[in-house]
Amino acid sequence: AQSVAQPEDQVNVAEGNPLTVKCTYSVSGNPYLFWYVQYPNRGLQFLLKYITGDNLVKGSYGFEAEFNKSQTSFHLKKPSALVSDSALYFCAVRVRRTSGTYKYIFGTGTRLKVLA
Amino acid sequence: ETGVTQTPRHLVMGMTNKKSLKCEQHLGHNAMYWYKQSAKKPLELMFVYSLEERVENNSVPSRFSPECPNSSHLFLHLHTLQPEDSALYLCASSQDNQGGAGNQPQHFGDGTRLSIL
Repeated sequence: AQSVAQPEDQVNVAEGNPLTVKCTYSVSGNPYLFWYVQYPNRGLQFLLKYITGDNLVKGSYGFEAEFNKSQTSFHLKKPSALVSDSALYFCAVRVRRTSGTYKYIFGTGTRLKVLA
Repeated sequence: ETGVTQTPRHLVMGMTNKKSLKCEQHLGHNAMYWYKQSAKKPLELMFVYSLEERVENNSVPSRFSPECPNSSHLFLHLHTLQPEDSALYLCASSQDNQGGAGNQPQHFGDGTRLSIL
């Protein structure tokens, strides 16, 4: 079955330190991978995506993610965390249905807490 | 501003009421989605419409009834809800290119916080 896993419910990091939020996936074919962020009382906001090309993709707010095909991972990173980065982060993969339309599979989310 | 607007933002209703959630997207997308987000549970995909046709219905109880009158509007009609239906209901849209690369992300509204008394 196709799935996305975010193994950590919560990640705590000190402000100014690098952060990593983990994501692994299990899909057939080439995956289209996405990261979203959700702030309190808001919907999910798109951060970045991997479609093809360079394994390191850069996105909004200084975030980047590294695609690793052999480890089927797409970890989200930031070199220096800010308190304002505290939010809920979702990894997602877009897969193609047999009908030709697409569906998105989301991970369970990781709550990031950046401590001042 | 995400280009996806949901109304109302908050809704409190009794179990015997009938109400509707509305979603409107201004992005020219051709696919729309309803998700349910409950505390400490994964995001649950409820319904998917592509080109105004329902392409996915994930075993959602019949007390939830979606309607997609055109590619810009999506409704979720509610009746005889249960307390466990209290959650944040999120609408999303995307460009679902059947013949294309399909590499665009979904865009989400800010949700309707639904409370069932």
